[in-house]
Amino acid sequence: DAGVIQSPRHEVTEMGQEVTLRCKPISGHDYLFWYRQTMMRGLELLIYFNNNVPIDDSGMPEDRFSAKMPNASFSTLKIQPSEPRDSAVYFCASRPGQGLSGNTIYFGEGSWLTVV
Amino acid sequence: GESVGLHLPTLSVQEGDNSIINCAYSNSASDYFIWYKQESGKGPQFIIDIRSNMDKRQGQRVTVLLNKTVKHLSLQIAATQPGDSAVYFCAEEITNFGNEKLTFGTGTRLTIIP
Repeated sequence: DAGVIQSPRHEVTEMGQEVTLRCKPISGHDYLFWYRQTMMRGLELLIYFNNNVPIDDSGMPEDRFSAKMPNASFSTLKIQPSEPRDSAVYFCASRPGQGLSGNTIYFGEGSWLTVV
Repeated sequence: GESVGLHLPTLSVQEGDNSIINCAYSNSASDYFIWYKQESGKGPQFIIDIRSNMDKRQGQRVTVLLNKTVKHLSLQIAATQPGDSAVYFCAEEITNFGNEKLTFGTGTRLTIIP
C-alpha cells in the first residue's frame, strides 16, 4: 500500500487566497483525520471522519476552515481566505478502526503551507 | 522579536547506549497509548502501542512502560543508532465510539551522538 497520500507537499500563497489541501487515505481505512502542526501549538486535531461522515470538528479554528470527504478515498481541507497565521504543516492520517492495539493511525507526509 | 514556541525537551545519547523518553499523559480515562517518531520533514511514524490493561510491551529494540497510577508512559530504545535521532511523541486515547481522538504530547527531541 502507498500509505496516506497528501498534496500539495509544499504551497506558498498570498494572504486572502483560497488554499485546498488534499488527502487520499489508506484503502479500507474507516477513519480519516486532519491535524495541524506548528511550533507554537504542536500537533492539533482539526477534524475527523468516520465512514466519510464528520464526527468531531471542534478543533477547526474558525469558519475560514472547512473539510469534506465526498467518498472513502478522498478528503479536502480548505482555507478561505487564508491568513499568515495559518502557516503550518497540515497532516492527514487514517486508521482502520477504533483504537485497539494494531489499529493505529497512519500519517501522510504533510502539506507544508506558507501564507505570506 | 523573539518567537515563542513550544519548548521541546531534548535528550542526547551516545550511539550504542540505551535511551529512555518519558511522557506524562493527561487523562486518567485514557486506555490506549501510542509512541510516534517524527523525523525532520516527515509525518509522525508509529513505533509501538500499549493498552491500559498492560504495563509493558516490547518491540524490536523498543519497550513501552505504562504506569497508570501516576499517568506516566515511557519509551525505551535499546542500542541507539543515528537513525533514531528524531522527535518522539506520546499520544493517548479513550477508545469509545464517537471519541476516537488521539491527543498528542509536545514531544521530546532525541539526538544520537556518533
